Amino acid sequence: AQKVTQAQTEISVVEKEDVTLDCVYETRDTTYYLFWYKQPPSGELVFLIRRNSFDEQNEISGRYSWNFQKSTSSFNFTITASQVVDSAVYFCALSNAGNNRKLIWGLGTSLAVNP
Amino acid sequence: DAGITQSPRYKITETGRQVTLMCHQTWSHSYMFWYRQDLGHGLRLIYYSAAADITDKGEVPDGYVVSRSKTENFPLTLESATRSQTSVYFCASSGAGTGIYTFGSGTRLTVV
Repeated sequence: AQKVTQAQTEISVVEKEDVTLDCVYETRDTTYYLFWYKQPPSGELVFLIRRNSFDEQNEISGRYSWNFQKSTSSFNFTITASQVVDSAVYFCALSNAGNNRKLIWGLGTSLAVNP
Repeated sequence: DAGITQSPRYKITETGRQVTLMCHQTWSHSYMFWYRQDLGHGLRLIYYSAAADITDKGEVPDGYVVSRSKTENFPLTLESATRSQTSVYFCASSGAGTGIYTFGSGTRLTVV
C-alpha cells in the first residue's frame, strides 16, 4: 500500500529561522513521483516540486531546498531564512507511474512564520 | 481565461437539495480530479477522470455523481446534500505524463 506521512502537524518559527518539513513515504513501486504543494492562507493549492524516484539529487530553488533519500524513504523540504510569506500548509504527495496518476497525499504540515 | 476555474466560490444549500459544482479547464488536460478538504482529513479524492466519458471512484464517492462529456468540464453533483458534505471542494487537472496537478481556487460548500 502507498502512504505518505507528515509527522509534523504544526510548526511555528520566528522569521529568518531555517525550518525543515518532514515527509516519509511508503510504496512498493520502483518508479514513482514525489511532490510538494503549498496552500497559503488564501486557500489555493500551488505546485512546488516534482521528483522522480530515479533522481536522488537534492534540489534548490532560492530559499527552498528538497532532500530526497530513498534509503530512508524521505523527501524533506527545507526553507532557509524563513519569511512571513512562507506561512502556509505544505503537503507532500506520492504517485505511481501508472496511468491513473492519482496522488496519495500526506495530511499536511501547517507552518507559521512569526515576525 | 486560461487555467482552471471553479464555480461557485461559495455556496450555501439546504439538506436534501441537489447542488452542482462546476469545474472548467482550458488546457485540454486529460486527467481531472475532485477532492474535498476537511480539517484532520487532508485532501480526499472523490472522483477522477482520465478522459472524456471515463470516470472512476476515489476514496469517498458516496453521495456524489460526476460526468465528463467534454474534456474541459468536470462537474460534481451532490444528489441530496447532507451536512457531512459541508467542506471545501477542489477541482484539479493534470496533463498526461506530468502527474503535476493544477488546482482550481476551491468551492466552499455549506449544507445547513
